[in-house]
Amino acid sequence: DAKTTQPPSMDCAEGRAANLPCNHSTISGNEYVYWYRQIHSQGPQYIIHGLKNNETNEMASLIITEDRKSSTLILPHATLRDTAVYYCIVFYGGSQGNLIFGKGTKLSVKP
Amino acid sequence: ETGVTQSPTHLIKTRGQQVTLRCSSQSGHNTVSWYQQALGQGPQFIFQYYREEENGRGNFPPRFSGLQFPNYSSELNVNALELDDSALYLCASSLMTGPDTDTQYFGPGTRLTVL
Repeated sequence: DAKTTQPPSMDCAEGRAANLPCNHSTISGNEYVYWYRQIHSQGPQYIIHGLKNNETNEMASLIITEDRKSSTLILPHATLRDTAVYYCIVFYGGSQGNLIFGKGTKLSVKP
Repeated sequence: ETGVTQSPTHLIKTRGQQVTLRCSSQSGHNTVSWYQQALGQGPQFIFQYYREEENGRGNFPPRFSGLQFPNYSSELNVNALELDDSALYLCASSLMTGPDTDTQYFGPGTRLTVL
């Protein structure tokens, strides 16, 4: 079973920031928080990952709470092309490649 | 830099047949993981291959098997197809430099329909 809890759906206005929450209260010390997204019927796209510190790349920012029990993915200026299912995954590289996907959050960006 | 590619894009088979799906890793990657995604569900881990050997396996029966080749490309074979095997099959490549696997990058998937 997935070790994360995400809201099933969220809406966001185009041009506004999208903030997607994720709870992972049982995360272990060596597990990273990964975010992927999947646009309809395509392969999941890697977005960002982090261990303890906040991270930012060209796609998004990842904010991890100090106790590491939750995190937020931020898309700073959402566009219609950001409409997708977003998956938050806790992953330890030594788990032999087993990314455990939950149901994710369906983000709908509206004009 | 070449991304992960998969072939074929779509495939239709009948129950009881066998199928082979192919995956080419992203340049520089040495590890391949396969996932099955049924309609409306998240991807489920089938197995991972590293250095041409199976390096981990999910809850799938032995009729799901794989190969990894010296160039790190991979095949997923499914024997005795069942209707429930209809799904999107995803391949992900990554670089394993020690005991841990780095970030996985996914291909576009192969849509298998079993009639």
